[in-house]
Amino acid sequence: QVQLQESGPGLVKPSQTLSLTCTVSGGSISSGGYYWNWIRQHPGKGLEWIGHISYTANTYYSPSLRSRVSMSVDTSKNQFSLTLSSVTAADTAFYYCARSGQHLDYWGQGALVTVSS
Amino acid sequence: QSALTQPPSASGTPGQRVTISCSGSNSNIGGNAVTWYQQLPGTAPKVLIYRNNQRPSGVPDRFSGSKSGTSASLAISGLQSEDEASYYCATWDDSVTGWVFGGGTKLTVL
Repeated sequence: QVQLQESGPGLVKPSQTLSLTCTVSGGSISSGGYYWNWIRQHPGKGLEWIGHISYTANTYYSPSLRSRVSMSVDTSKNQFSLTLSSVTAADTAFYYCARSGQHLDYWGQGALVTVSS
Repeated sequence: QSALTQPPSASGTPGQRVTISCSGSNSNIGGNAVTWYQQLPGTAPKVLIYRNNQRPSGVPDRFSGSKSGTSASLAISGLQSEDEASYYCATWDDSVTGWVFGGGTKLTVL
């Protein structure tokens, strides 16, 4: 059973960079055929796809966040990461990592990141 | 504004059948499979239906999905109090080259 777990600071100051890591267990991130995604959910709101990365580091980002987003993968640690620069209060949200093949199947439990001074 | 359109709320009494709609376009639902998620408060979304109408093991057969053209539906029969949750549709969008979601439907069991 594949499991994903987000980790990172829960509080980020405005204008700084948000960084999160997703650790994958129960399967290899290098197994191929999957993309590794970041999705966020503003409190009480809907889901927003941020982007995804393959184990070979091919990336696709949401057009609305592309200028501030970067993703990376570390196959030796079975992890992938998200950085979001120049954050504002509008970036306060639950951040989920998830695996996708033909659909987003396995999700992490989510990490709340609050942007506040 | 979400790429996929869902009603913000739905309700029903125990035992009833409820349907939740999801409307999209040719670039998303029209050409790609739809997934439905159930999200209980404080938890991550859980796959209820994938590939339009397939249920993962462990999901009761009270839940069913369908797709026609650029729209999809989730039906819940024999409504139970534990079904009170938010439901989201999702699919790949070829024009955005990314996953898109509906705005979510909050289901209340009266």
